[in-house]
Amino acid sequence: KAGVTQTPRYLIKTRGQQVTLSCSPISGHRSVSWYQQTPGQGLQFLFEYFSETQRNKGNFPGRFSGRQFSNSRSEMNVSTLELGDSALYLCASSRTSGRNEQFFGPGTRLTVL
Amino acid sequence: TQLLEQSPQFLSIQEGENLTVYCNSSSVFSSLQWYRQEPGEGPVLLVTVVTGGEVKKLKRLTFQFGDARKDSSLHITAAQPGDTGLYLCAGKLTSGTYKYIFGTGTRLKVLA
Repeated sequence: KAGVTQTPRYLIKTRGQQVTLSCSPISGHRSVSWYQQTPGQGLQFLFEYFSETQRNKGNFPGRFSGRQFSNSRSEMNVSTLELGDSALYLCASSRTSGRNEQFFGPGTRLTVL
Repeated sequence: TQLLEQSPQFLSIQEGENLTVYCNSSSVFSSLQWYRQEPGEGPVLLVTVVTGGEVKKLKRLTFQFGDARKDSSLHITAAQPGDTGLYLCAGKLTSGTYKYIFGTGTRLKVLA
């Protein structure tokens, strides 16, 4: 069974640009959550999607947005990039919302110059 | 504001030694998880504890959830180089959601 896949694995952008990250959950999983991991702040919850609906949202500015498609694949978008957005962005999938084990993907390493 | 404090932040020990990692908070959690993350990979779930005072064992790893469900510990017996990695605790404030609060992590290095 294939695991959670994230693309791209590495990304370099400049300030002011926007970026879209993609996450394909494990087959049969309908919940996708996104996290940002930085050395200073650790791992922080961004948002969770279940059946194409955002179920929960963390404390991030509106520049961070996401969506989920009917096949459960999810995308995360960050607009007007700032230097502080440099981080490892992780997505995790689960069979249902909030009740099962999360399986994390390898992450997308975003560097903002 | 970091709700979950982990200690120590870094730990370097020799193979065969024992160690304990702590995860503390002033908040009450409905459940708490421990993960291990290796370079270039996402975190992998080790255990979930849900009942105050609960103790779970996974081979050489022993996990304990505090009676008040505010803290947890991870004890590794006879550490091996394969235990090297970043250990993260994560607390869930409300059931039925994946809005986890993650600790800052403990980076463990076990030397052969």
